[in-house]
Amino acid sequence: AQSVTQPDIHITVSEGASLELRCNYSYGATPYLFWYVQSPGQGLQLLLKYFSGDTLVQGIKGFEAEFKRSQSSFNLRKPSVHWSDAAEYFCAVGARETGNQFYFGTGTSLTVIP
Amino acid sequence: EAGVTQSPTHLIKTRGQQATLRCSPISGHTSVYWYQQALGLGLQFLLWYDEGEERNRGNFPPRFSGRQFPNYSSELNVNALELEDSALYLCASSRRENYSPLHFGNGTRLTVT
Repeated sequence: AQSVTQPDIHITVSEGASLELRCNYSYGATPYLFWYVQSPGQGLQLLLKYFSGDTLVQGIKGFEAEFKRSQSSFNLRKPSVHWSDAAEYFCAVGARETGNQFYFGTGTSLTVIP
Repeated sequence: EAGVTQSPTHLIKTRGQQATLRCSPISGHTSVYWYQQALGLGLQFLLWYDEGEERNRGNFPPRFSGRQFPNYSSELNVNALELEDSALYLCASSRRENYSPLHFGNGTRLTVT
């Protein structure tokens, strides 16, 4: 069965510090992967996506993610966090074999300390 | 380009009533997805419509239903509301092609009292 795991429910970092949010997936097919961000009371905004090719992908707002097939991971990173990055982050996975059926992780809540 | 729009923004119902939530996808998008986001439970997949047909549904009881109209807009209906149906209901749309990401609306906050 397909699943997406975000092991960290909540992370707190200081402004200016680096950030890494973890995402592991279990999927039998060739996955395509996404990271979304959700500000309070809002919908989800796409940060970045990976389909194929270069395993390091760049997204909006200075975020990047690296696909590691051997570890079934797609971790999100940012070198220097800004206070405005405080939000909920969701990892999602889909597969060509199932069309556009997406599966989401449970999310990681990020708090940024001034 | 207008984004995904959902209405109403907030909806308050009492237990046993019915709720109807609406979603208009981005122009050119034929697929519409519905998700339930209850507190602490992440996004739970409800329904997926494409070209007017239901393609898949999540693990929800039959009182959760919906449809997609010829203009690709969609409705989510929840019958016999229960207190635990209180949640943020998110609609997303995408193009039909594989690898097309989801674009989300801001959701409808349903409160059941």
